Amino acid sequence: GDSVTQTEGLVTVTEGLPVKLNCTYQTTYLTIAFFWYVQYLNEAPQVLLKSSTDNKRTEHQGFHATLHKSSSSFHLQKSSAQLSDSALYYCALSGGNNRIFFGDGTQLVVKP
Amino acid sequence: GGIITQTPKFLIGQEGQKLTLKCQQNFNHDTMYWYRQDSGKGLRLIYYSITENDLQKGDLSEGYDASREKKSSFSLTVTSAQKNEMAVFLCASSIGGGAETLYFGSGTRLTVL
Repeated sequence: GDSVTQTEGLVTVTEGLPVKLNCTYQTTYLTIAFFWYVQYLNEAPQVLLKSSTDNKRTEHQGFHATLHKSSSSFHLQKSSAQLSDSALYYCALSGGNNRIFFGDGTQLVVKP
Repeated sequence: GGIITQTPKFLIGQEGQKLTLKCQQNFNHDTMYWYRQDSGKGLRLIYYSITENDLQKGDLSEGYDASREKKSSFSLTVTSAQKNEMAVFLCASSIGGGAETLYFGSGTRLTVL
């Protein structure tokens, strides 16, 4: 079946250091779109990044991700974490039929 | 821009009670979703609807009913609340087609005593 795996439930990083949140997937869909959603405390999840093009880097708000179909991955990275980046991050896959599959989420904590 | 409004923000119920959660969107989106959010378990799809009066079951539909009587609104009913249940229910909408961005409401936090 289709699924998204986020291996880390919690990632803790010191402010100013790089951070990487892992996301891998399994899918039978041919046409797919990938998303990273971010949810700040007591707020609604909101889209951070979206991509459907293999090997193309997508950037927003200092974060970037590249879809690699060869390795079934869409990892989220940032070169310098900020305190304000502390939030819950979800990786999601859409197969184009109104079904969206979410990973379990990664809680990012940025410490001073 | 648009907004998704979920009511109530907090819902406290008793075991066995039927509870209804409401969601309104003014994006004029075709597709609407109900997700349940539990810590460490991600977002699990309960029901979705691709148009008015359409209902599609998600992975977690047992114990829930849904209703889409208007394009702008989508309600979810917990048919029999389970004791000590605590979860956040998130409503979302999208243009439709599946590869589009979801727009979420702020959620309804359910506590069952």
